[in-house]
Amino acid sequence: DVKVTQSSRYLVKRTGEKVFLECVQDMDHENMFWYRQDPGLGLRLIYFSYDVKMKEKGDIPEGYSVSREKKERFSLILESASTNQTSMYLCASSLGTAQETQYFGPGTRLLVL
Amino acid sequence: AQSVSQHNHHVILSEAASLELGCNYSYGGTVNLFWYVQYPGQHLQLLLKYFSGDPLVKGIKGFEAEFIKSKFSFNLRKPSVQWSDTAEYFCAVNAYGRGPNKLIFGTGTLLAVQP
Repeated sequence: DVKVTQSSRYLVKRTGEKVFLECVQDMDHENMFWYRQDPGLGLRLIYFSYDVKMKEKGDIPEGYSVSREKKERFSLILESASTNQTSMYLCASSLGTAQETQYFGPGTRLLVL
Repeated sequence: AQSVSQHNHHVILSEAASLELGCNYSYGGTVNLFWYVQYPGQHLQLLLKYFSGDPLVKGIKGFEAEFIKSKFSFNLRKPSVQWSDTAEYFCAVNAYGRGPNKLIFGTGTLLAVQP
């Protein structure tokens, strides 16, 4: 079974803090994704990566950056957390082609005070 | 801009009722279509997907979906729901040209099945 793990289930941070969310997958997938999930808005793509050290902006990249130094690990960074970044963050991974299933982690619920 | 619409935000059904959840997308070219489900407290997981061939696709747990190209629709159906189908359901589309495996998700439909 594919396993996607996220470093924290719950995080509480203060405005202005730098926040790191970590994601690890164990299936040698090329693609990795970061989404945020908000009630009534569904899932929105923040960033994705199709290879080590490669990244592309998704639909809502503002205020976020990412890092992929190893194939199995994809980090989401909030350079200076703001209250409007309070959300559920989901990581996913998949093989490289367009028909492939994305496998999701359990999510990190981030509260920014 | 490409978008996915799920018109039913909340659906409440009794057990054994039939289910149909609507999904429409706005893209005129080739698409890959997915339904994902999130059961309470669980990861988001794939229910079914379509990328070519028979437009009627069968998924897990008795779900099916029909791709109707002329209507830009990919509605999810189940003939008889169970209490365990209570979950949030997301339709997603990957449009060619958007990039490999970049999905656009709908806003989700929360289904509550009453025993």
